[in-house]
Amino acid sequence: EDQVTQSPEALRLQEGESSSLNCSYTVSGLRGLFWYRQDPGKGPEFLFTLYSAGEEKEKERLKATLTKKESFLHITAPKPEDSATYLCAVNGNAGNMLTFGGGTRLMVKP
Amino acid sequence: GAVVSQHPSRVICKSGTSVKIECRSLDFQATTMFWYRQFPKQSLMLMATSNEGSKATYEQGVEKDKFLINHASLTLSTLTVTSAHPEDSSFYICSARGIRDSYYEQYFGPGTRLTVT
Repeated sequence: EDQVTQSPEALRLQEGESSSLNCSYTVSGLRGLFWYRQDPGKGPEFLFTLYSAGEEKEKERLKATLTKKESFLHITAPKPEDSATYLCAVNGNAGNMLTFGGGTRLMVKP
Repeated sequence: GAVVSQHPSRVICKSGTSVKIECRSLDFQATTMFWYRQFPKQSLMLMATSNEGSKATYEQGVEKDKFLINHASLTLSTLTVTSAHPEDSSFYICSARGIRDSYYEQYFGPGTRLTVT
């Protein structure tokens, strides 16, 4: 059974204070690891897909990295508008479904 | 690209009535669509997976007769909550996996807030 654990559950940062969110996973054959951003009352917004260890992807202030056991979402010089819940999910060989972690609620204060 | 819409965004209904929620992929064809349920401050819980033209596959614990799913075309899936009760009140989100983009990427709709009174 695929499992995903995200840490921390909540993270408070000052504007400009860089940090990283962690996503640890166990999966029977990784088809893909996904990062999403979710704002309150809205559906998740797709950010990145990572397929193999060593892969990295960047988008504005966000950078996602992947190892065989975990993924990190690095946030460089965050702004208040980066405040959201960040969700990590994996798709293993067991099927088409995504297994989600519990999310990290990020709050960036000006 | 890869936009998914849901309608309605909010719905309030009386206990015992049925409610239909539509999920559409606007700029791509979706071979597979997924329906999730999300409770406050919790992560997404997969309810069912539907493939175009075939019966949906429901997750354990999800009542097939209460949550009817139809995936009639490559751009439309519907979720009907039958004989709704207050405990069915929740945030329902659909997602779609496209056949033109990377095969394993799922794109989510904006969600539908259902309140049963």
